[in-house]
Amino acid sequence: DSGVTQTPKHLITATGQRVTLRCSPRSGDLSVYWYQQSLDQGLQFLIQYYNGEERAKGNILERFSAQQFPDLHSELNLSSLELGDSALYFCASSVEGGASTDTQYFGPGTRLTVL
Amino acid sequence: GNSVTQMEGPVTLSEEAFLTINCTYTATGYPSLFWYVQYPGEGLQLLLKATKADDKGSNKGFEATYRKETTSFHLEKGSVQVSDSAVYFCALSVAIQGAQKLVFGQGTRLTINP
Repeated sequence: DSGVTQTPKHLITATGQRVTLRCSPRSGDLSVYWYQQSLDQGLQFLIQYYNGEERAKGNILERFSAQQFPDLHSELNLSSLELGDSALYFCASSVEGGASTDTQYFGPGTRLTVL
Repeated sequence: GNSVTQMEGPVTLSEEAFLTINCTYTATGYPSLFWYVQYPGEGLQLLLKATKADDKGSNKGFEATYRKETTSFHLEKGSVQVSDSAVYFCALSVAIQGAQKLVFGQGTRLTINP
């Protein structure tokens, strides 16, 4: 158990809909990261937040957005969903998130299926 | 750019066999290197890491040495068990403008038969 929690574990929805994925980081970690894992794209970094502020952006679509709240939990919002958005979405956290030596701890993931 | 290349899977071995999963990287600057493992239905777990050249990371019988001259970080284990069956990801980490960026390889699926 990494200490990172994600809800829900599974999500099934229809095209065009909007969903929210939730992540709680390890106690004491200030940085939260979101990743998408799909069969064709592998593990792709989406976005990082540090202590409530956006720190880095990766391959995140405009239809997707995220935020980190004062209690440090984070939410990833996916809207106008398409079939191709079906994937595993992971959250990770680290203490700081600014150094190459930092270790990121991953949650169990949310499996999103868009029908 | 920054990228990681792992040996293609799937890899199938018998219990107690010697394991090597190759990983090479391309990076600007001085990355840290990681191996993560993903068991079926679970998230990624850190297996080991090395933060500078010639460092050796080790955990649960697995080892990997950061080789700057060959830009490699190959994962090895002397005697694998059925419980080692999982997908293994090699990753490099760099800091860009104050943010850590993790770049993953495509993953290598390992199956150990009893």
